[in-house]
Amino acid sequence: AQKITQTQPGMFVQEKEAVTLDCTYDTSDPSYGLFWYKQPSSGEMIFLIYQGSYDQQNATEGRYSLNFQKARKSANLVISASQLGDSAMYFCAMRPDNTGGFKTIFGAGTRLFVKA
Amino acid sequence: DSGVTQTPKHLITATGQRVTLRCSPRSGDLSVYWYQQSLDQGLQFLIQYYNGEERAKGNILERFSAQQFPDLHSELNLSSLELGDSALYFCASSSDNFSPLHFGNGTRLTVT
Repeated sequence: AQKITQTQPGMFVQEKEAVTLDCTYDTSDPSYGLFWYKQPSSGEMIFLIYQGSYDQQNATEGRYSLNFQKARKSANLVISASQLGDSAMYFCAMRPDNTGGFKTIFGAGTRLFVKA
Repeated sequence: DSGVTQTPKHLITATGQRVTLRCSPRSGDLSVYWYQQSLDQGLQFLIQYYNGEERAKGNILERFSAQQFPDLHSELNLSSLELGDSALYFCASSSDNFSPLHFGNGTRLTVT
């Protein structure tokens, strides 16, 4: 069964410090995509970063990087130099690349609080 | 701005009623996805359409239905509404099956 697990319901980080949000996944599909989304208090879902299962290098997008450890089935999000505007809910997601459908499934989310 | 447009932003209705949520995908995107986000269940995948055809189905209730029209906009119909249907309903689109989803701002449905 496909599953995404985010074990940290809430996290605190000091402004300007780095923070790691954990994500583990479970799938039997050999090919899949991993995603992180940010949901501020205003409610919209913002795409942050993508990692393909066959990508050799970890994905980076500005202050966001994805620490991909395939053997451990983990896809942690690292936010460097945290800013107050980073306070939000963060969702890890996975989409198996199979022919039975391409639905993306989401974890329960981690709420990040950035302290001044 | 993701380029995905959802209307209305807010909807308040009574139990037993029927509502229609509308979504216009990003220009050029053929796939449309519907998700329900509630406090106790997180983001739940409901259904996906690709170029007018149903492609994948999730935990969508029989009281709910959707369709994608030739101009690629999509509608989600919710009928015989119950209090538990109160949630944020998202539409998302993607350019292909390997691209990230881009979400609309959602429709917040409140059933009283």
